[in-house]
Amino acid sequence: NAGVTQTPKFRVLKTGQSMTLLCAQDMNHEYMYWYRQDPGMGLRLIHYSVGEGTTAKGEVPDGYNVSRLKKQNFLLGLESAAPSQTSVYFCASSIRGDTGELFFGEGSRLTVL
Amino acid sequence: QQQVKQSPQSLIVQKGGISIINCAYENTAFDYFPWYQQFPGKGPALLIAIRPDVSEKKEGRFTISFNKSAKQFSLHIMDSQPGDSATYFCAAQEEGFQKLVFGTGTRLLVSP
Repeated sequence: NAGVTQTPKFRVLKTGQSMTLLCAQDMNHEYMYWYRQDPGMGLRLIHYSVGEGTTAKGEVPDGYNVSRLKKQNFLLGLESAAPSQTSVYFCASSIRGDTGELFFGEGSRLTVL
Repeated sequence: QQQVKQSPQSLIVQKGGISIINCAYENTAFDYFPWYQQFPGKGPALLIAIRPDVSEKKEGRFTISFNKSAKQFSLHIMDSQPGDSATYFCAAQEEGFQKLVFGTGTRLLVSP
């Protein structure tokens, strides 16, 4: 039982390049989230999804897009990477949205030069 | 604007001591307050959580104290151990909303 798996774990981009982070969960959870973690700023919600085919904006959505075509997968895209998007990205899932019990992946460290 | 304010940013405690991390919030609609623990290179994991209808919840060496009138809650780690060295995040969630708001984190180091 893998839980929440993120790929890739590390990536270096040049400014203006695009990329996609993949999150996969095998727990049949309805809700999925993308957070970014920056020193001194905690975890900030980028986008989230309350079910297959749905997405919604979080606190810091600008510069990112997401898709949830399959229940088990939640993709985070950067169309034109900027140095300000250098961060550690965490995907999380939960069986329901109102318990606050999130299961996190191990993170994807992105550096934008 | 930080909806959940967490302090201190870092904390050093001797083995066997008590670690205390504090959080404060303004939104009175928050009704669920979890704490997450994160080890280096790993994602956060739920440690303990409380709802505002109780003032304290204890699980082993970990206790949440909740003060609804002051809009504050804290995590106490009794008999702190080197294995407790990690970053701790408090969080809050509003009823009917599907998203958690996190504090800025506290890096705890328990010295042997």
